[in-house]
Amino acid sequence: DQQVKQNSPSLSVQEGRISILNCDYTNSMFDYFLWYKKYPAEGPTFLISISSIKDKNEDGRFTVFLNKSAKHLSLHIVPSQPGDSAVYFCAALWGAQKLVFGQGTRLTINP
Amino acid sequence: DAGVIQSPRHEVTEMGQEVTLRCKPISGHDYLFWYRQTMMRGLELLIYFNNNVPIDDSGMPEDRFSAKMPNASFSTLKIQPSEPRDSAVYFCASSFRGGYTFGSGTRLTVV
Repeated sequence: DQQVKQNSPSLSVQEGRISILNCDYTNSMFDYFLWYKKYPAEGPTFLISISSIKDKNEDGRFTVFLNKSAKHLSLHIVPSQPGDSAVYFCAALWGAQKLVFGQGTRLTINP
Repeated sequence: DAGVIQSPRHEVTEMGQEVTLRCKPISGHDYLFWYRQTMMRGLELLIYFNNNVPIDDSGMPEDRFSAKMPNASFSTLKIQPSEPRDSAVYFCASSFRGGYTFGSGTRLTVV
């Protein structure tokens, strides 16, 4: 019963191009969505979030889009940089404190 | 602040042995979470505490797993007896008003 799904385990993008990471969810009760970035041997760190009442949130090179009718969100990184290579987790907040995560997508930025 | 501190960083143990993972949350954070990272399921929430009280342990896989939080500055996750399928990275996180901070994780290998 994976409530948050990231169907692409890996993604490879050329430096300077756009990276698009996708996430689907099943529970319409989620009211906040977040993206976390994880480097090897480190814990996940917060990247960007979006409230369920919005459809877009932008922070520098990072933009998150939310399509509630499709229960889908995506993270756009443009332009992609080598330091963006990491595992990205999509997460949804339930009941104000409980974070439910997806399986993660390993992003590799090629020079 | 040193962040969320987990110990040990790595643990290798034989099947059947007891394993205890430790976590020191950020001072002032009122929620503490234990997650397990696996390739198949990503970051799974095992259990979380609010003000040292366990709130939801529905993610704990079996009775072999137990968690305690005797005070606001310390929590343990115990596996007894351990099995090879318990091998994973275990993360502790603490939060205050929705702001999560993760520890660096404990990589557990059960042989």
